[in-house]
Amino acid sequence: RKEVEQDPGPFNVPEGATVAFNCTYSNSASQSFFWYRQDCRKEPKLLMSVYSSGNEDGRFTAQLNRASQYISLLIRDSKLSDSATYLCVVNDPEYGNKLVFGAGTILRVKS
Amino acid sequence: DAGITQSPRHKVTETGTPVTLRCHQTENHRYMYWYRQDPGHGLRLIHYSYGVKDTDKGEVSDGYSVSRSKTEDFLLTLESATSSQTSVYFCATQDANTGELFFGEGSRLTVL
Repeated sequence: RKEVEQDPGPFNVPEGATVAFNCTYSNSASQSFFWYRQDCRKEPKLLMSVYSSGNEDGRFTAQLNRASQYISLLIRDSKLSDSATYLCVVNDPEYGNKLVFGAGTILRVKS
Repeated sequence: DAGITQSPRHKVTETGTPVTLRCHQTENHRYMYWYRQDPGHGLRLIHYSYGVKDTDKGEVSDGYSVSRSKTEDFLLTLESATSSQTSVYFCATQDANTGELFFGEGSRLTVL
């Protein structure tokens, strides 16, 4: 079983739509969670950290469900510029700072 | 953005030749990482460093070695490149306070 699993997609949505991605992780002791965004042929960049109580940044909302070991990302009012691959990232508890990446979920927003 | 530069950005080489990729940072981050990214696998950790001369293996370290003689530079070496090492390689540094990773622009390696 992979440590971090994501639905690869692609998710094809129209502009203005709301879309949600889930990510599951295998180690219940993980403490740090992130969503990264990667544009085609570019490096990944931090989109947002995920906090226990959930957090919001503009149109983006991240949630953590420790009981079920998943994190989610909700994007409201999708823009064409949101088209990218979204990477779920979780720390490896055995090596505190080391982060494990999911394979990514592709989002395509169309006009 | 953190100042992380990778070189070379693109390289084509032949099987059996040695290759060294360089990562240079200006952020004085203690932790540095080398990942490879392949379709369907996402980013996989090759090696990482938690300080000068302190390195350790990641999940896909076979065929790779690293060196870190100073804080700013983290070198990844393929002693004898194979076609399975054709990939995009990303270097990253980590802010120890926030955990955030900052990536270089990537090095695209093709082994013929």
